[in-house]
Amino acid sequence: GQNIDQPTEMTATEGAIVQINCTYQTSGFNGLFWYQQHAGEAPTFLSYNVLDGLEEKGRFSSFLSRSKGYSYLLLKELQMKDSASYLCAVEDSNYQLIWGAGTKLIIKP
Amino acid sequence: GAVVSQHPSRVICKSGTSVKIECRSLDFQATTMFWYRQFPKKSLMLMATSNEGSKATYEQGVEKDKFLINHASLTLSTLTVTSAHPEDSSFYICSARVLGVLAGGREETQYFGPGTRLLVL
Repeated sequence: GQNIDQPTEMTATEGAIVQINCTYQTSGFNGLFWYQQHAGEAPTFLSYNVLDGLEEKGRFSSFLSRSKGYSYLLLKELQMKDSASYLCAVEDSNYQLIWGAGTKLIIKP
Repeated sequence: GAVVSQHPSRVICKSGTSVKIECRSLDFQATTMFWYRQFPKKSLMLMATSNEGSKATYEQGVEKDKFLINHASLTLSTLTVTSAHPEDSSFYICSARVLGVLAGGREETQYFGPGTRLLVL
């Protein structure tokens, strides 16, 4: 079956760095998304990786290894507003999205 | 974990026809489901909130007469795109909200469906 795994919850300190991992097993692969979702709001697009490697976008970076079925989202210089759920989703061979359950990130002062 | 399905996964229709998309929570009940539309830059736009047994709440700018939502049971919400036009072509995603114990110990979790790709010719 298809499966996306990511930690349920993580805690980090303001100003620090945190890495949220995502592993996947899907029927084919056409890309991997990371979304940020604050409570009660729609998910906000963060990144889309289709090729191996690291893509940096400001304080956020996303890494993909297709051979390992693995991605991570790296958040630097954490701010309190980064407290949110982070969703990993893979686009399979039929261009459907397989979603992880999300990682709730708690930022402490 | 909780599973949300959508049917159909993809549909092609002629301009002017109506298309119904189903969103089902397979192993849990959801009093609230959300409908999103994914745009080419991959952002998700919330279209409406579907509440079981009551009228849906639409976001500003979303025509309720064009995007009909029915949440007839605790496991099914439907989105009907009426008189579809080519500009309605998009990727529609639903999610089901779970509260309490099922939500992995958290207060609230949304479980997302795989999406329905609509192409209007």
